[in-house]
Amino acid sequence: EPEVTQTPSHQVTQMGQEVILRCVPISNHLYFYWYRQILGQKVEFLVSFYNNEISEKSEIFDDQFSVERPDGSNFTLKIRSTKLEDSAMYFCASSVTAGYDTGELFFGEGSRLTVL
Amino acid sequence: RKEVEQDPGPFNVPEGATVAFNCTYSNSASQSFFWYRQDCRKEPKLLMSVYSSGNEDGRFTAQLNRASQYISLLIRDSKLSDSATYLCVVPTGRRALTFGSGTRLQVQP
Repeated sequence: EPEVTQTPSHQVTQMGQEVILRCVPISNHLYFYWYRQILGQKVEFLVSFYNNEISEKSEIFDDQFSVERPDGSNFTLKIRSTKLEDSAMYFCASSVTAGYDTGELFFGEGSRLTVL
Repeated sequence: RKEVEQDPGPFNVPEGATVAFNCTYSNSASQSFFWYRQDCRKEPKLLMSVYSSGNEDGRFTAQLNRASQYISLLIRDSKLSDSATYLCVVPTGRRALTFGSGTRLQVQP
């Protein structure tokens, strides 16, 4: 069964360092997302990406964050200068159609980011 | 009213019990609604969609009340494997799905 894969599964970094989280969405999917979940809290929307551009972003997704689809398979989230409060599980997701149509987002297993 | 609001629980029920969760939403323009399941420290997975008045899939029934702006999830004959957090999900943007904080269910033997 096709799945969304994410790397690394866990990254520990020092405050102020740059971090890149990588995702390989399901191959025939057209919509890509990043969500995050701080431990014990809800899943929060960060950004959606379609047709090689950001289609929507939340207020969490400030200038410290960026996304890229550098080739036909990878989808990356970069955090330029990490803060303690960026510590969270970051989930990548993809969907065939826009999420609000079917609601069926396929999530990866997540990348846990710990900022010290 | 919050965009999506759920009772956090936990709901502790014995095997075989019927349990129901409610979720309220603020955006009256939302047309579709979803229930996701999230196991501890795992990714969310789609459980059911609700497009009109309701949807049934085996032991699971989801219902929508547009007038009161809430959706519900009913689980009949609870199994131990149903223990998880159930997330109410509502579209709130052009592409975004907003997740509720979730309701935790613990089914006990």
